[in-house]
Amino acid sequence: EPEVTQTPSHQVTQMGQEVILRCVPISNHLYFYWYRQILGQKVEFLVSFYNNEISEKSEIFDDQFSVERPDGSNFTLKIRSTKLEDSAMYFCASSPDVTGELFFGEGSRLTVL
Amino acid sequence: GESVGLHLPTLSVQEGDNSIINCAYSNSASDYFIWYKQESGKGPQFIIDIRSNMDKRQGQRVTVLLNKTVKHLSLQIAATQPGDSAVYFCAEKLRAAGNKLTFGGGTRVLVKP
Repeated sequence: EPEVTQTPSHQVTQMGQEVILRCVPISNHLYFYWYRQILGQKVEFLVSFYNNEISEKSEIFDDQFSVERPDGSNFTLKIRSTKLEDSAMYFCASSPDVTGELFFGEGSRLTVL
Repeated sequence: GESVGLHLPTLSVQEGDNSIINCAYSNSASDYFIWYKQESGKGPQFIIDIRSNMDKRQGQRVTVLLNKTVKHLSLQIAATQPGDSAVYFCAEKLRAAGNKLTFGGGTRVLVKP
C-alpha cells in the first residue's frame, strides 16, 4: 500500500540552527501538507501546498518556515532559525485532491536544545 | 475562535466491550468530519469519516454518529481489542475551504485484557 515517508525520524538540533524535514508524498497525490504536534497536545495545521505554491498557512507558519518541492518526489519543510518551542512532531500528509482523505506519514520528531 | 474538543481525555475499557468516544465541535459551518487513530510514535491514521448530510456511518467495527443540532460527534468501537489502544482524534473541515483539518485534543483509549 502506498504511504507517505518522512526523514529523519528524529533530529536533535541547537537553537538557532536551520533544519530541513523531508517528505515523500504518495506518488499520484497533488496536495501536500505539514502539520505539527507538540508533545501531549493536538495536531495543528501548518501549511498546505498545491501546484508549487502555498495554498493556505496558519499563524504558526511564520517567516521562519518555508516549504519547497525541489523535484518531482520530495516535499520539504525548512525552519531557518529554530527555537525551543519548535520542538514537536512534524507530520507530512498528502491527498489526491483538495477534498480527499489525507494520508499522514509517521512523523519527524524535532528536538531543539 | 472555532475549536474542536473532546469530553474525555482517557477512556479505559475492558477487552470485548464497546467503546464510545465523544467530540464537540463549535464551527457550525464544518461539513466534513473525520476520526483518526494515533498509535504511539506514529502518524494519525484515518478510521472513518462522515459528511454533514449524514447522521450515521458504519465501518468495520466502528460507527460514527453526527448530531448537528448539538454539534456533537462520536465514535463507537464494537468489541474493543487490545490493538485499539491508542489516542483518537476527531477533526473537522469545511470542504469548500480546502483540506485544512482542525483537530480536537484527543482521547486516549486503554484496553484492559
